[in-house]
Amino acid sequence: GAVVSQHPSRVICKSGTSVKIECRSLDFQATTMFWYRQFPKKSLMLMATSNEGSKATYEQGVEKDKFLINHASLTLSTLTVTSAHPEDSSFYICSARDSQEATETQYFGPGTRLLVL
Amino acid sequence: ILNVEQSPQSLHVQEGDSTNFTCSFPSSNFYALHWYRWETAKSPEALFVMTLNGDEKKKGRISATLNTKEGYSYLYIKGSQPEDSATYLCAFLRSNYQLIWGAGTKLIIKP
Repeated sequence: GAVVSQHPSRVICKSGTSVKIECRSLDFQATTMFWYRQFPKKSLMLMATSNEGSKATYEQGVEKDKFLINHASLTLSTLTVTSAHPEDSSFYICSARDSQEATETQYFGPGTRLLVL
Repeated sequence: ILNVEQSPQSLHVQEGDSTNFTCSFPSSNFYALHWYRWETAKSPEALFVMTLNGDEKKKGRISATLNTKEGYSYLYIKGSQPEDSATYLCAFLRSNYQLIWGAGTKLIIKP
């Protein structure tokens, strides 16, 4: 149980275009999902906390108009990188918290490698 | 400053040997300490959630201890196997539910 899928696994796009990444909890409901970015040889950097039915909470320094998050259902959150630039190239990974669990354990998707040319 | 430090950054261990590494975290506003294993090309996988000072958890050959007063947790692997090769991440959950991640310890098991 507790499987999270992420799509696409890798994407290459041109500078100026927008890219949407989907995060789905496959066998549990997740009122809260998290979006992380990983820089080379660095830890996971939390970008935002996505709450079902309400606005996402962004971490300091993360532009909410640049990284649009939508969490319209209990099993799906999307991250849209708008007007992507080469510096947005990174590894993006989502996680979801099972609404039924009290442990705050996060279940991770496999990540999306974004390359902006 | 809220920092979670993991050491060492990377570790090469001979197959069959036992090993351990450390996660240090702030000792105030503690709620829980998480350990995750992240194998290459896979998703990070939760190993342990520890909440009480003195907690010790075990899963097969892997175990972890927790000292909330001094702010550290150890992860032990007994009789390392090639499949243990991964990055081991710890994450400190504060009482306000803010989760702060360490940079991980990359473990490589040499056959």
